[in-house]
Amino acid sequence: AQKITQTQPGMFVQEKEAVTLDCTYDTSDQSYGLFWYKQPSSGEMIFLIYQGSYDEQNATEGRYSLNFQKARKSANLVISASQLGDSAMYFCAMREGQGGSEKLVFGKGMKLTVNP
Amino acid sequence: KAGVTQTPRYLIKTRGQQVTLSCSPISGHRSVSWYQQTPGQGLQFLFEYFSETQRNKGNFPGRFSGRQFSNSRSEMNVSTLELGDSALYLCASSLKGQGGSPLHFGNGTRLTVT
Repeated sequence: AQKITQTQPGMFVQEKEAVTLDCTYDTSDQSYGLFWYKQPSSGEMIFLIYQGSYDEQNATEGRYSLNFQKARKSANLVISASQLGDSAMYFCAMREGQGGSEKLVFGKGMKLTVNP
Repeated sequence: KAGVTQTPRYLIKTRGQQVTLSCSPISGHRSVSWYQQTPGQGLQFLFEYFSETQRNKGNFPGRFSGRQFSNSRSEMNVSTLELGDSALYLCASSLKGQGGSPLHFGNGTRLTVT
């Protein structure tokens, strides 16, 4: 069974500082995908970044980067230069690797608060 | 390009009733998935449709059902509602139904069962 672990229930960061959100995963699949989503209080899940298990380079999307350490089974999200609008819940998720399934397994999420 | 549209945004029902939620995916997306989000259980996968076929189903009772139409729009139905069905129901669509294409979520339907 696959599992996503996000151990930090909440974090506080000052505006303009960088922050790392932790995610570890457990899978026996060789092919899998890792996602990070942001969920503001409005409820919509906003896609941030994706890392494939066979991708050799860490994914980056603007201020978001993913610190992918395959041997340690971790996929930490790094947000550089935090903004007030980054305050939200953040979810790490994994997609099963076979058959083209779209099923995502989500972690419990963590709440990020950016202070001015 | 319009995002994933879910209707209605809010719904209040009483126990024993049934409810139908609707989801219109992003134009061109053929894969639609549904998730239930509750404070206690977090985000849980309900089911997934691709080209009108259910491709995967989560561990939910048979009261939860869904379907997808030829235009990729999807509906999910919950019959004989229980208090524990109160949740945010999220629909997501993706382009290819495989690989690294991300799921794009709608704003969700918040269902309250009284």
